[in-house]
Amino acid sequence: DGGITQSPKYLFRKEGQNVTLSCEQNLNHDAMYWYRQDPGQGLRLIYYSQIVNDFQKGDIAEGYSVSREKKESFPLTVTSAQKNPTAFYLCASSIFGEETQYFGPGTRLLVL
Amino acid sequence: KNEVEQSPQNLTAQEGEFITINCSYSVGISALHWLQQHPGGGIVSLFMLSSGKKKHGRLIATINIQEKHSSLHITASHPRDSAVYICAGNRGSRLTFGEGTQLTVNP
Repeated sequence: DGGITQSPKYLFRKEGQNVTLSCEQNLNHDAMYWYRQDPGQGLRLIYYSQIVNDFQKGDIAEGYSVSREKKESFPLTVTSAQKNPTAFYLCASSIFGEETQYFGPGTRLLVL
Repeated sequence: KNEVEQSPQNLTAQEGEFITINCSYSVGISALHWLQQHPGGGIVSLFMLSSGKKKHGRLIATINIQEKHSSLHITASHPRDSAVYICAGNRGSRLTFGEGTQLTVNP
């Protein structure tokens, strides 16, 4: 089955710790995106990548880092510099140049 | 002002009712999406519109480009339609999202 997988479903982070959220797709999509969702707010773009080995900051990139070493993988690291990391994180992908994005199931990050 | 604004924020209906959710968007948005988010968090794309009207089962989406306004209608609503409905607009390859409408359909 083609799709986007995110793991884990729930992730707990201690203060001062970096954590990495996984996003994998087998749709052969060129572009991948990371969004953050907070209660009562729309999804906000953290980072996106339109091609392997290239990525751009979104609207709220501070405190996050990404890599795109393989077409199918776009991991997001939430660093200790992100002061309010508790949120629901969604990964998405699309065919380059097309407007529809396909979403993964999300990872809920909680700070202990 | 957000590029994409939707209303209402919350909507409660009785089973069988006709439901409308509205979305207004800014200049520069090239296409408009309606998404559905279930309680578990996963998001499903329902429609993408750049003009006219689309229908899928009991769901109908319309867009008025001149007025920069789109609506999502649900006919004969059912409790399983309960979800958050999100309007999103394309600015190039990037999406800008509305805050979502929490729909609850009671039996």
